[in-house]
Amino acid sequence: EIVLTQSPGTLSLSPGERATLSCRASQSVSSSYLTWYQQKPGQAPRLLIYGASNRATGIPDRFSGSGSGTDFTLTINRLEPEDFAVYYCQQYGRGFGQGTKLEIK
Amino acid sequence: QVQLVESGGGVVQPGGSLRVSCTASGFIFSNYGMHWVRQAPGKGLEWVAFIRFDGSNKDYADSVKGRFTISRENSNNTLYFQMNSVRTEDTAVYYCARQDILTGAFDPWGQGTLVAVSS
Repeated sequence: EIVLTQSPGTLSLSPGERATLSCRASQSVSSSYLTWYQQKPGQAPRLLIYGASNRATGIPDRFSGSGSGTDFTLTINRLEPEDFAVYYCQQYGRGFGQGTKLEIK
Repeated sequence: QVQLVESGGGVVQPGGSLRVSCTASGFIFSNYGMHWVRQAPGKGLEWVAFIRFDGSNKDYADSVKGRFTISRENSNNTLYFQMNSVRTEDTAVYYCARQDILTGAFDPWGQGTLVAVSS
């Protein structure tokens, strides 16, 4: 079973700054199947990035994903107030990371 | 538009049973694998079950294996989750989600239905 570990647990930043979120897998994961989701309070998760680096429909280009093997990164440039949420990574239709909470500093 | 709507959540006593449903619209339901994902209050996402597009293959997280059953009725565009022998730790919002055929990503998700296990 592949375990995904996200860091940091909480990230405190100000609007306009850049956020860098990490997702590390316990063994190599196909980049084709590494996915990122955003979840806001009281809402269902929303697909952000699929295939490690492809933005889902309607996702602004300030969101980008990268990585391969066991290390993956979600980067959010020029943070907007609506970007403050919890972010999860997932590998092919199964386990999720524990999440990174992005909060306003 | 592509949509998933869960229903059937509520309060159930420990050891009891409950069935939640997920009704799909806006896409060919019978073409897609489907999942249940749950989220306990204040916690992260936990994948719990998968069913292949035709119902021929199912998979479960260890936490629910042997107690919960995923099923589907493609003729009615509906996904089910039968929950038996529930425990307090099963208290969560239960989401259904469609799995993309090519990427494996979950999209869309339903709005979730709350299952509370309490005496």
